[in-house]
Amino acid sequence: GESVGLHLPTLSVQEGDNSIINCAYSNSASDYFIWYKQESGKGPQFIIDIRSNMDKRQGQRVTVLLNKTVKHLSLQIAATQPGDSAVYFCAENLGTSYGKLTFGQGTILTVHP
Amino acid sequence: GAVVSQHPSWVICKSGTSVKIECRSLDFQATTMFWYRQFPKQSLMLMATSNEGSKATYEQGVEKDKFLINHASLTLSTLTVTSAHPEDSSFYICSARGQRNQPQHFGDGTRLSIL
Repeated sequence: GESVGLHLPTLSVQEGDNSIINCAYSNSASDYFIWYKQESGKGPQFIIDIRSNMDKRQGQRVTVLLNKTVKHLSLQIAATQPGDSAVYFCAENLGTSYGKLTFGQGTILTVHP
Repeated sequence: GAVVSQHPSWVICKSGTSVKIECRSLDFQATTMFWYRQFPKQSLMLMATSNEGSKATYEQGVEKDKFLINHASLTLSTLTVTSAHPEDSSFYICSARGQRNQPQHFGDGTRLSIL
């Protein structure tokens, strides 16, 4: 798994490019995964989720891929726009009865016009 | 839909003061609410989980007497930081969800600064 630290991974892309943000999750028993977008000074905003019985799910301009074999999750953003600039977090549900989420360390996405 | 409102958004107070933060689900019933703490450039760290009508479940290392959580209704949870000190300064975020394995929806956070 990834440790929480002061230096978040960063990804810089040009407007119109496709972006891929990766996440390694920690628990093979996790059954539900979510991607969140967090803009500066705001709370996380739900983007897309996927359950462990699926390996791909598509939304509007976004696709989440799940590889349970290597415990890897990715978020693909098509035709990235400046408004997509934010910190992106993956989160895993460890299958507990109250649905606790464990968050990854986050990736800073910067989209240049 | 699925709007979570958090209040206040920003509070500055003197050391030793107790501060209450409210978290409301505006258009759905939240059976479970969560409280997180986030330091600059870091991820969200879960502090506690609260179910309506029950005592909150705190994560390891979180002081129950320091961070009082009340979840008295299906639309409201409160976090009270008692006798706050500068080291309690942080960004506090709540989330709420309806049923299990539905996504958590987050409020916009409260920035707490203790002088």
